[in-house]
Amino acid sequence: SQKIEQNSEALNIQEGKTATLTCNYTNYSPAYLQWYRQDPGRGPVFLLLIRENEKEKRKERLKVTFDTTLKQSLFHITASQPADSATYLCARASGTYKYIFGTGTRLKVLA
Amino acid sequence: ETGVTQTPRHLVMGMTNKKSLKCEQHLGHNAMYWYKQSAKKPLELMFVYSLEERVENNSVPSRFSPECPNSSHLFLHLHTLQPEDSALYLCASSQYLSGASGETQYFGPGTRLLVL
Repeated sequence: SQKIEQNSEALNIQEGKTATLTCNYTNYSPAYLQWYRQDPGRGPVFLLLIRENEKEKRKERLKVTFDTTLKQSLFHITASQPADSATYLCARASGTYKYIFGTGTRLKVLA
Repeated sequence: ETGVTQTPRHLVMGMTNKKSLKCEQHLGHNAMYWYKQSAKKPLELMFVYSLEERVENNSVPSRFSPECPNSSHLFLHLHTLQPEDSALYLCASSQYLSGASGETQYFGPGTRLLVL
């Protein structure tokens, strides 16, 4: 069955550093992967989508990569700030209208 | 914020109660979803509606009963729940059905449910 695996351990980094979060998937490569941000007590908010034929996608301080050989996507936040502290979710499509989400990785940026 | 609202935000109910969760989207979307989010578990898709028609029931127990009276509103009726049903219930919408097309899903803030 298709799965999304994210490091469930919290990631603590110092302000100003680059945070890198990992998303691994099983089985065949999805047509795209999505990344969401979730704050405590709130629903996920969409950040970025990267397609299978795109190696890299950027949006302001965010960068996502897609490596179909490693079956992995990396999510980078450069010049991280305490306000970036949240849980980040990776999702892939499964069929026509389903998404499979990872458990998310909690990021804490220390001032 | 996201254009998707949910009420109530918090709910405590006994196992014999009947309650309903409400979701409303103000985005003009055609598809709506119910998800369950438990601690340390990934989001679990429960139901999918497209233009008020249910297209997916992801093996959800019958004690959860969805209703979609129009494309803007979605309800989740709850009855005789179990303590393990305690979780955050999230509603989401997208312009069209997600999945193959890569449609972005817009989530509401969720209802935190506690079953005693």
